[in-house]
Amino acid sequence: DTEVTQTPKHLVMGMTNKKSLKCEQHMGHRAMYWYKQKAKKPPELMFVYSYEKLSINESVPSRFSPECPNSSLLNLHLHALQPEDSALYLCASSQVGTRNSDEHYFGPGTRLTVT
Amino acid sequence: AQKVTQAQTEISVVEKEDVTLDCVYETRDTTYYLFWYKQPPSGELVFLIRRNSFDEQNEISGRYSWNFQKSTSSFNFTITASQVVDSAVYFCALSGDTGGFKTIFGAGTRLFVKA
Repeated sequence: DTEVTQTPKHLVMGMTNKKSLKCEQHMGHRAMYWYKQKAKKPPELMFVYSYEKLSINESVPSRFSPECPNSSLLNLHLHALQPEDSALYLCASSQVGTRNSDEHYFGPGTRLTVT
Repeated sequence: AQKVTQAQTEISVVEKEDVTLDCVYETRDTTYYLFWYKQPPSGELVFLIRRNSFDEQNEISGRYSWNFQKSTSSFNFTITASQVVDSAVYFCALSGDTGGFKTIFGAGTRLFVKA
């Protein structure tokens, strides 16, 4: 199973809502990532989890809160977002959590619209 | 600092033409890794190839080939006999020892293949 799944596929939320994005992989990968991608731009790294511990936070606003409940799951909790946070949110995983040589396996993304 | 430059923003070709996507990188790392990813209109990034800095051997996979030249800091990607299904955004990416888990993506090249 070489698949990363993400739910939901689409999400529309108001600025006062609280919602969560979910990502799951069953490849035994030990590094998981959240990326944000705006239209016609490359993915921007938000967070990296290595062996279920947060190892990189790219100065992301606190209205985005990641969580890694176990080695297969990665969540992104959203609260009080702004319209400029509207984007495609991509989850990815890679094999070993302590090296940067491994390719990413990406999920299909959640297209988020903040109204 | 690490940087990836994809100077071609958009390329349009007719089916069966060959097309080369350019990628130039900058890094001070001795050990680093280069990647190509494909992002079709569906949104999911798909891993195509990884090259490490010690392996300059060119690679061919079907209609795809990659030319890695350390002397010019380039890692170019050629599609032979392009097909409509090749239409996508292609990202070149770099990770190095000093960057931790961070993968640096180029801006991407949007390829249109017309029938």
